[in-house]
Amino acid sequence: NAGVTQTPKFRILKIGQSMTLQCTQDMNHNYMYWYRQDPGMGLKLIYYSVGAGITDKGEVPNGYNVSRSTTEDFPLRLELAAPSQTSVYFCASSSHTSTDTQYFGPGTRLTVL
Amino acid sequence: AQSVTQPDIHITVSEGASLELRCNYSYGATPYLFWYVQSPGQGLQLLLKYFSGDTLVQGIKGFEAEFKRSQSSFNLRKPSVHWSDAAEYFCAVFSGTYKYIFGTGTRLKVLA
Repeated sequence: NAGVTQTPKFRILKIGQSMTLQCTQDMNHNYMYWYRQDPGMGLKLIYYSVGAGITDKGEVPNGYNVSRSTTEDFPLRLELAAPSQTSVYFCASSSHTSTDTQYFGPGTRLTVL
Repeated sequence: AQSVTQPDIHITVSEGASLELRCNYSYGATPYLFWYVQSPGQGLQLLLKYFSGDTLVQGIKGFEAEFKRSQSSFNLRKPSVHWSDAAEYFCAVFSGTYKYIFGTGTRLKVLA
């Protein structure tokens, strides 16, 4: 089972560039999440989705956008990269309710210079 | 405000020794509590969770955690640590509205 996959694993961006972080899950989960993890900090929720076509903001949504056109995919878009967005990004999914086990992808390490 | 505190940033134990990682939470209602482990370069993996019932919860890899409402704690324990347990451990509380609050993590080092 692939579970939750993320691409790319690493990326370096220049200030002002844009990119999309890809996330795909093959478990038919309704709930999907994007987190960022900064050194010495816990995970912070950026956006989440409770199903195809439904997304909502988390704690730290500024500078990001998401879409959920299918159950499987939940891409995260950075429109104008800033150094403050240097972080490790994790995608996760869970089954029927938000208290079900979250399954995490391996992460994308992003550096903005 | 809801919060999760992991007071120990780093912990070092010898292989075979017992382990306890501390977690304190602040949450008004009955909390849903979780422990996750993150191995280097990997995503987080659920070790165990507590929703209700028996306050001693068993998880994977020989870990257990005890919920103590009076102390607002949910400490993670393992009787005998293995070298492969070296990782970062995160405590989390479900705060409602699909959101989790994660602690800042405890990095475990295991000495051979």
